[in-house]
Parts: sequence; C-alpha cells; structure tokens
Amino acid sequence: DSGVTQTPKHLITATGQRVTLRCSPRSGDLSVYWYQQSLDQGLQFLIQYYNGEERAKGNILERFSAQQFPDLHSELNLSSLELGDSALYFCASSPYSLGETQYFGPGTRLLVL
Amino acid sequence: ELKVEQNPLFLSMQEGKNYTIYCNYSTTSDRLYWYRQDPGKSLESLFVLLSNGAVKQEGRLMASLDTKARLSTLHITAAVHDLSATYFCAVASSNQFYFGTGTSLTVIP
Repeated sequence: DSGVTQTPKHLITATGQRVTLRCSPRSGDLSVYWYQQSLDQGLQFLIQYYNGEERAKGNILERFSAQQFPDLHSELNLSSLELGDSALYFCASSPYSLGETQYFGPGTRLLVL
Repeated sequence: ELKVEQNPLFLSMQEGKNYTIYCNYSTTSDRLYWYRQDPGKSLESLFVLLSNGAVKQEGRLMASLDTKARLSTLHITAAVHDLSATYFCAVASSNQFYFGTGTSLTVIP
C-alpha cells in the first residue's frame, strides 16, 4: 500500500459528460501528479501540483482541468468526455517535487460509452 | 518533443539468466526513472537516477544512467518468476515526464 488513495476505482459514463477523479496523497507529501494510461497512447503525464500551485503541465487536454486543495488532496476534472478518454488515470505523490521517488495510487478506470 | 525508446518491447527469459533492458531518449535530461507495473495494477517506482554515471541497485535489479549517450539500462541478474512485469522508463525534461513504451518481461521457470 503506497499510502495514496484514489476514488472512485471504476467509473462508467457517457460521451459528453463530466466526471471528477479524486486523489489523496501520502501524509506529508506536497506534490501530486496525474497520469493517463491507455492502450492507444501509453503512459502520459498530465499535470503536477505542488502545495496548491500548478508546477508542471504535460499533455493535458483543454477539456481537462485539475486543482490541489489546501488539505493537499487533488481533483482531476474531465469534461465533454469522448470515447478516447477511456483510460486508467493514476495519481502519484512525492514529498516535494521532481527528482524524487513518486508513490502511485491504485488508479481510476474510466470507461466512456 | 522528447522521444523515449525502450527495447526490447517483449522479453521472455529463463529463470537464473541475466538480461538488460535499454532506454534511449532524444534530448538532454538528467533525471531518469524506472517503474514496474504488474498486470492490472498501478505503477511502482523502482529507481530515480539524477546524474551522469548514476548506478542504483535493489535486489536483482540494477539501473544506470549515461546522460552523454542518452541511455539508461535496467539490468536483471539471475531472473526469478517474481520479476515478471512490465517495466517503464521515463525521462524528465523541462518539468515534463516522457514515458517509454514499456518492456513486458516474462520469466519462465
């Protein structure tokens, strides 16, 4: 158990809908990272937050947004969902920032029908 | 955009044998990561390599980084069945992460 929790574990929704994925980092970790894993595109880095501020941005679509709250949990919002958004979404946390070991949550499996 | 190539993509090896997975990347970076993923599971961090010549070892796995050659290797010594998994390398550059395609390793008794 990495200490990182993600909810929900599974999510089935329809095209055009909006969903929110939640991540709670390990106790004391200030950085949260979001990743997408799909058969088509492999593993992709989406975004990193550090202590509430956006620190780095990867291949995150404009339809997607994220934030980190004062209690350090993070949410990834996916809107106007398309079939191609079906994927595993992982979050990870680390104490500070890049260059450290990241601890991954179990992931949220999103299926868009 | 930085490209990360891993090879081989698939590796089937016998228990007790040694093998190496290669990770090449296209532009300068001084941070390289190795991860393990079991089927249907999340990622597990194995190594973070932060400088040229860095070498880290954990059990039967040893990772190294040559930033001049833009190459990292993950060496498996005397493989055991428990090492069967998919291994990913990832490179950090300009605050971005770029992942390789993964190497699916199967260790055969």
